[in-house]
Amino acid sequence: DAMVIQNPRYQVTQFGKPVTLSCSQTLNHNVMYWYQQKSSQAPKLLFHYYDKDFNNEADTPDNFQSRRPNTSFCFLDIRSPGLGDAAMYLCATSARDTFNEQYFGPGTRLTVT
Amino acid sequence: KNQVEQSPQSLIILEGKNCTLQCNYTVSPFSNLRWYKQDTGRGPVSLTIMTFSENTKSNGRYTATLDADTKQSSLHITASQLSDSASYICVAPMDSSYKLIFGSGTRLLVRP
Repeated sequence: DAMVIQNPRYQVTQFGKPVTLSCSQTLNHNVMYWYQQKSSQAPKLLFHYYDKDFNNEADTPDNFQSRRPNTSFCFLDIRSPGLGDAAMYLCATSARDTFNEQYFGPGTRLTVT
Repeated sequence: KNQVEQSPQSLIILEGKNCTLQCNYTVSPFSNLRWYKQDTGRGPVSLTIMTFSENTKSNGRYTATLDADTKQSSLHITASQLSDSASYICVAPMDSSYKLIFGSGTRLLVRP
């Protein structure tokens, strides 16, 4: 089945220790997104890739970076996690012409100790 | 201002009962509205998508309605099951773009 996969599902990191979350997709979609979702809140878009073009949201902290080495994979790097970065991180994808039909992965729950 | 508002914030019903969740939107221009189900600790899963010309759409026990005149949508769940316990989120794209406007969600709890 075509899908969006996120690994790991749960990640624990220490305050200030860099961490990388990964996302892969078998939908062959051009666009990949990273969202941050805190408890009982709506997902907040951090950035997205349109093919290899990176698009950062204006209010995304510099602490968050992303890499997309190929169509299938996208990584979220948090350079120096703070306690406030503890959240669910959702990866989503969409096709070139249907931006708003976004397919979400199961998410990675990040805990910062 | 582009907004999506949902009510109620939370809802508790007994297994087997029906319920209706509401969504009001002020997104312009409007292209479509989607209902997602999000289980605790999981990503959102699309239930239905409603376009401007559609009034009603069903997906199993889920039926969504759209009234483009009043800018309201509803999600009706029939014969609820314990597995329906989740957050239900109403989402509309901004300017038909990649930016999605999320409602705050309705937390549904189905009790035996």
